[in-house]
Amino acid sequence: QVQLKESGPGLVQPSQTLSLTCTVSGFSLTSYNVHWVRQPPGKGLEWMGRMRYNGDTSYNSALKSRLSISRDTSKNQVFLKMNSLQTDDTGTYYCTRDVGVAWGQGTLVTVSS
Amino acid sequence: DIQMTQSPSSLPASLGDRVTITCRASQDIGNYLRWFQQKPGKSPRLMIYGATNLAAGVPSRFSGSRSGSDYSLTISSLESEDMADYYCLQSKESPLTFGSGTKLEIK
Repeated sequence: QVQLKESGPGLVQPSQTLSLTCTVSGFSLTSYNVHWVRQPPGKGLEWMGRMRYNGDTSYNSALKSRLSISRDTSKNQVFLKMNSLQTDDTGTYYCTRDVGVAWGQGTLVTVSS
Repeated sequence: DIQMTQSPSSLPASLGDRVTITCRASQDIGNYLRWFQQKPGKSPRLMIYGATNLAAGVPSRFSGSRSGSDYSLTISSLESEDMADYYCLQSKESPLTFGSGTKLEIK
């Protein structure tokens, strides 16, 4: 069945770079898009960006300068890298296939010294 | 970027009530509108896609509709398991944008 799982550090220092991995199974990254969505504690959902099936990427306008999404199709993984982290980047980060029925469980990232 | 204005932000309601949540799009998104339900500590769950189509496994008391640039999610008879946060999402064009959310709670 279709599964996605986020992994990465739970704690990141301010001004440092966040690196997250979304490992997928049950589908091919060359057939479906994978998106990243985040949610600060107690707040709403924010679309961050996506890796299209053909390798193209697109990003949230407000995060574009700090954000990079890439993939390794041989490992069924999509990567998120975001630099210059601040405390308001704290939240749960999700990967999702096509922002539809399939979502990862989310991974909590805390930005703190 | 397309803005999605969602209302209300909070909706107290009683079991059995008919409730409606609305999102207004700042520009044409056709029927590229999805609704999600999210419960505390859980990932979002797709409820409605294509503005009016019920996702698999979603109870029939949920429905979606469109009137011009206004999109609505209606629950015909509220049940306790429906208490959650609800979000709309436009997927017409990148960047995709979510509404600000509606917290549905027991009155």
